[in-house]
Parts: sequence; C-alpha cells; structure tokens
Amino acid sequence: QQQVKQSPQSLIVQKGGISIINCAYENTAFDYFPWYQQFPGKGPALLIAIRPDVSEKKEGRFTISFNKSAKQFSLHIMDSQPGDSATYFCAASMGSGGGADGLTFGKGTHLIIQP
Amino acid sequence: ETGVTQTPRHLVMGMTNKKSLKCEQHLGHNAMYWYKQSAKKPLELMFVYNFKEQTENNSVPSRFSPECPNSSHLFLHLHTLQPEDSALYLCASSPGGGGTDTQYFGPGTRLTVL
Repeated sequence: QQQVKQSPQSLIVQKGGISIINCAYENTAFDYFPWYQQFPGKGPALLIAIRPDVSEKKEGRFTISFNKSAKQFSLHIMDSQPGDSATYFCAASMGSGGGADGLTFGKGTHLIIQP
Repeated sequence: ETGVTQTPRHLVMGMTNKKSLKCEQHLGHNAMYWYKQSAKKPLELMFVYNFKEQTENNSVPSRFSPECPNSSHLFLHLHTLQPEDSALYLCASSPGGGGTDTQYFGPGTRLTVL
C-alpha cells in the first residue's frame, strides 16, 4: 500500500517556466513533509520541508503549498533552470513521535528543464 | 557530500555469497537509516537505529541483517540474496530524537545480484 502518491512521473519544462509536482498522502498521522532532490549518482538531498501548521513555505525559487483538508502538498519551482533537472521525491513522516522516524517516500518525478 | 560515506559504491554478488555494506557518518548524528531504492518504486525504509538501538525493522527479509556498533557506523550484512534484491542501497543519518530532523543521505551502494 503506497502511502504517498506522487505525480507526474516525469515532467519537461522550458527554462524560465514553473515546474509543479504534486503529492497526496493517506496517513493523517503524518505531520512533516519534506521534498528531496536527487542527481544521478548521488543520494537524495533535502530541498525544502513543511509542517501542516502552515499552508505555504517559500525558499528562494522553491515553494511548498500544503492543503491539510485535502491531504495534498505540492512543490513549485519558479523560473526553472537547467540545473534543476533532477529527480524530486516528496516524503512524509510522523515528526512529532519523539524518536527517529523513517521517511515514507513518493515514487519520484524525473524533471527535465529544456534550455 | 562527504558527511555520509558508503562503501563499496558498486557490488556484484552471486546468490550464495555473503557480503556487507558499510556506512559511516561524520556529522555527529545519533540516528542512522537504511533505505532501498529500486527502479519505478519509492525509496523503501528498511531499518532505523537511534542511539545504536534498532527502533524499526520495516518487515525486511532476514537475508538482510543490520548492525550498528556505534552511532557513526552502520552495516548491512547480506546473505543468500535474490535477483530482485538488486537495487541502490542508501544510508542516511540524522541528529536523532525527532522525526523532523533532516536526514542526510550517502551516495548509495549499487548492488547487483546474479
């Protein structure tokens, strides 16, 4: 049973455009939602994260939008650049558990930014 | 990206072999994780260690055996694997003590089981 559903599987965006990746979760106990970026041959690296007490978080060109009632969250990349070409993973965890919690990941989105 | 290192980077083994994957973190963290990354599938959490104690085993087959001798080192011992176990195995670490801690990933070990 996949607890975090991510779409689209792949995405091609022109340079300067907006890239949008969507995720939906099922487990209402999740309360921490990070996005990871992975380049070929590298491990995933944290890009940006949000807690459900806010509906939006912005860091530079990257924004997370969060809809708690719909159990959905999305990543927006503004002014997309060729260097943003990578695989993006949404994830979720029960962050307030107090211990070390593993992340539940989506399947990933392969993003290509065309020059 | 030298915070979390993994060796070897590539491993080819037969189904009857025994091998081990090694992970070392230089970040002073207290929690370490093993994930499996297969094509077309989400990263799958395998094991979690917090302060050297295993706190989660995500229904992983017994042919995978983790070991955490101290908070800086994590091993994954492999024996009698199956071809479907071929994947990228990722190690991660976090400060520990909270699920909102950022997890820092190593580059992974690409495992091929023949």
